[in-house]
Amino acid sequence: GNSVTQMEGPVTLSEEAFLTINCTYTATGYPSLFWYVQYPGEGLQLLLKATKADDKGSNKGFEATYRKETTSFHLEKGSVQVSDSAVYFCALKGNNNDMRFGAGTRLTVKP
Amino acid sequence: GAGVSQSPSNKVTEKGKDVELRCDPISGHTALYWYRQRLGQGLEFLIYFQGNSAPDKSGLPSDRFSAERTGESVSTLTIQRTQQEDSAVYLCASSRIVGDTQYFGPGTRLTVL
Repeated sequence: GNSVTQMEGPVTLSEEAFLTINCTYTATGYPSLFWYVQYPGEGLQLLLKATKADDKGSNKGFEATYRKETTSFHLEKGSVQVSDSAVYFCALKGNNNDMRFGAGTRLTVKP
Repeated sequence: GAGVSQSPSNKVTEKGKDVELRCDPISGHTALYWYRQRLGQGLEFLIYFQGNSAPDKSGLPSDRFSAERTGESVSTLTIQRTQQEDSAVYLCASSRIVGDTQYFGPGTRLTVL
């Protein structure tokens, strides 16, 4: 079945550091890929998405490119801020509209 | 409504009791989803509704779990004869149509003693 594997956390970075959170997937057909973010004390919210191969999703300085050849959707940001501290979830929507989420990666950014 | 709401926000129950969790989706959203998040783990997809119908119930963990939706609005997730392993945060999300961007509620934290 479909599944998502993402980098285990926690990840601790200093402000302005470069961020990469790895995400790989296993799926049949042509899934859509997502990154969701959960800020402390808040609910999950969509950060960015990509619906087909080579698409790049971007939002709030974060980017992720749908790589079919490596079945990956790594999240990147060039310069993190303290306000980016949150839990990040990679997710996949399969052909049956079922969603699969990764385990989440907790990011802490220190000033 | 302004967003997805869920009730109760917290529920503590004794092993063997039944519980009902409620989700109010964003008005006009035809699709509704239920997930479970155990402590330290990712989200586990349980079921989704297209209108009032659930096309695939295979994600429900056991036959103690059931869900229904009425009026293309409110949904309830019922867990019968709760077990300690049912302790988790249960999240609901809705989207305008199936496959569209999902908006999540704050979740219900269920603790089974």
